[in-house]
Amino acid sequence: KNEVEQSPQNLTAQEGEFITINCSYSVGISALHWLQQHPGGGIVSLFMLSSGKKKHGRLIATINIQEKHSSLHITASHPRDSAVYICAVRSGQTGNQFYFGTGTSLTVIP
Amino acid sequence: DAGVTQSPTHLIKTRGQQVTLRCSPKSGHDTVSWYQQALGQGPQFIFQYYEEEERQRGNFPDRFSGHQFPNYSSELNVNALLLGDSALYLCASSLAAVFFGDSPLHFGNGTRLTVT
Repeated sequence: KNEVEQSPQNLTAQEGEFITINCSYSVGISALHWLQQHPGGGIVSLFMLSSGKKKHGRLIATINIQEKHSSLHITASHPRDSAVYICAVRSGQTGNQFYFGTGTSLTVIP
Repeated sequence: DAGVTQSPTHLIKTRGQQVTLRCSPKSGHDTVSWYQQALGQGPQFIFQYYEEEERQRGNFPDRFSGHQFPNYSSELNVNALLLGDSALYLCASSLAAVFFGDSPLHFGNGTRLTVT
């Protein structure tokens, strides 16, 4: 069983739609990261959060520590949002190791 | 401000050979982590270096080794390559968690290793 589970694995949306990607984790964490990976491999850090909610432009990330769950929302989606979104947690238990979800592949159609 | 740089970008090796991948962290960062990402999968943690020492290690065999230099740059070495080692190898840098708590990860663009 993976320490980090994401859903859905694949997501196709029409431009302008509201998108939600979910992440559940099973370990105690010190922080959760949302990452964006474009074709070719480069990864960009979108958010790092340990409680509550953060917003950056059209992106919103929330975390519920008690439920061990986080969501990434994209409002007014755009084709340039097409990428793989990865949830990663830094464990507060096993030597502060990072665990990654397998990613959600998002395609936004014009 | 240079971000994380990795070299080479692509590499083709034969089974049984050895490979060295290189990473220069973002300016000001002192901690380097290495990850292996197989096609269609999320990154898997290999190990992390801080103060020139391996501080944490994921579930990878001893064929995977590394080094960090005084300028914080790092190398990943893989010996006796197997076909299954074909993957994208990502390097990420950050500030030492022990002093700064959690800080965002900054990733390089990766090295695509193909073992034939």
